[in-house]
Amino acid sequence: AQSVTQLGSHVSVSEGALVLLRCNYSSSVPPYLFWYVQYPNQGLQLLLKYTTGATLVKGINGFEAEFKKSETSFHLTKPSAHMSDAAEYFCAVSSSSGSARQLTFGSGTQLTVLP
Amino acid sequence: DTGVSQNPRHKITKRGQNVTFRCDPISEHNRLYWYRQTLGQGPEFLTYFQNEAQLEKSRLLSDRFSAERPKGSFSTLEIQRTEQGDSAMYLCASSLPFGGQETQYFGPGTRLLVL
Repeated sequence: AQSVTQLGSHVSVSEGALVLLRCNYSSSVPPYLFWYVQYPNQGLQLLLKYTTGATLVKGINGFEAEFKKSETSFHLTKPSAHMSDAAEYFCAVSSSSGSARQLTFGSGTQLTVLP
Repeated sequence: DTGVSQNPRHKITKRGQNVTFRCDPISEHNRLYWYRQTLGQGPEFLTYFQNEAQLEKSRLLSDRFSAERPKGSFSTLEIQRTEQGDSAMYLCASSLPFGGQETQYFGPGTRLLVL
């Protein structure tokens, strides 16, 4: 069984400040990890993913995340927030073994960027 | 590549009515997933297809729900005898696994409101 916990359902930062969105996962097999962003009334857009290899993953729009196996974490960061980053962010995990690849999502973090 | 499309984008129905949603995946993607997202929550897996075969169904998919992908291209999700608890966003995603890895691309979703 897999699960994802996103700490903080709402995060507010000032424009230009560091963005840090937390994600911890539980998985019985090596996980594949994803961050998606969702703008109001839209579907999910992939920001970045970790499958194998380098543990620091760079994504679109200046976001990056680091896979830390010892901490079972995959936190999302961005050095400088922009107003356009305001959205809901979802961390997700899928299995790396077997054929089933359905995603298990966290409950999301709403990011607000203050001017 | 036109992305994943879903129709309709919004549906309002009365309790007890049947509704059907359509998903057109990215061309040549052989996997297609359905998820349900309720307000304030992350998406939850419902079912997935490998080509035309429905390979897995979640316990969330009651017997009032049926999904098809008759020719391995578009898919439909039907809900019979809708209930107010069915009100949610229904998301479709498609993927083309390669080398044991897979990224799901999401459509804009169909928002269902059951009165």
